[in-house]
Amino acid sequence: GQNIDQPTEMTATEGAIVQINCTYQTSGFNGLFWYQQHAGEAPTFLSYNVLDGLEEKGRFSSFLSRSKGYSYLLLKELQMKDSASYLCAVRPPSGGYQKVTFGTGTKLQVIP
Amino acid sequence: GAGVSQTPSNKVTEKGKYVELRCDPISGHTALYWYRQSLGQGPEFLIYFQGTGAADDSGLPNDRFFAVRPEGSVSTLKIQRTERGDSAVYLCASSSGEDSYNEQFFGPGTRLTVL
Repeated sequence: GQNIDQPTEMTATEGAIVQINCTYQTSGFNGLFWYQQHAGEAPTFLSYNVLDGLEEKGRFSSFLSRSKGYSYLLLKELQMKDSASYLCAVRPPSGGYQKVTFGTGTKLQVIP
Repeated sequence: GAGVSQTPSNKVTEKGKYVELRCDPISGHTALYWYRQSLGQGPEFLIYFQGTGAADDSGLPNDRFFAVRPEGSVSTLKIQRTERGDSAVYLCASSSGEDSYNEQFFGPGTRLTVL
């Protein structure tokens, strides 16, 4: 089975840096996604990590440690529009399809 | 539009009624997924289609739920004898299967309310 843990809520200040953690215990692993979901909207893809290390994409970076079952999403130069839920999702070992398991999400509030 | 579309955007029904939720995936995407999302939770996998066939329906909660994709494009999620606990946002996603990580593109969802 899959068990994914994320903090429920976080608050950060506009212009600051915030790190959203995700830990997972899974029966198999073949990559980890981060999605952003604004209230009332669909999730949108942010990043995908399959190897250990940091992947940087503009203001957003994502880190993975497979041995620790740990990932984080780093958001820099926070903007008000970054207020959203951030979903960590784990991809199982390949088997012809991808049944991704999502965490409950971390609701980030950016304040002035 | 080039994205995933879902209709209706909102559906209010009474307990015991039958509902159908529709998903139009991105043109050419062979994989289609249905998820259910309750307030404050992440999307919960329901069923996955590869082409016309359901490759994995292990997430359907019970036999009141059924989904079809007869021509390998549009899919319909069908819920019989709806219960109040079925109230949630039903999300559809599609993917091309051509990239290495199989990014899923989500539709805006259908908010189902069972009274």
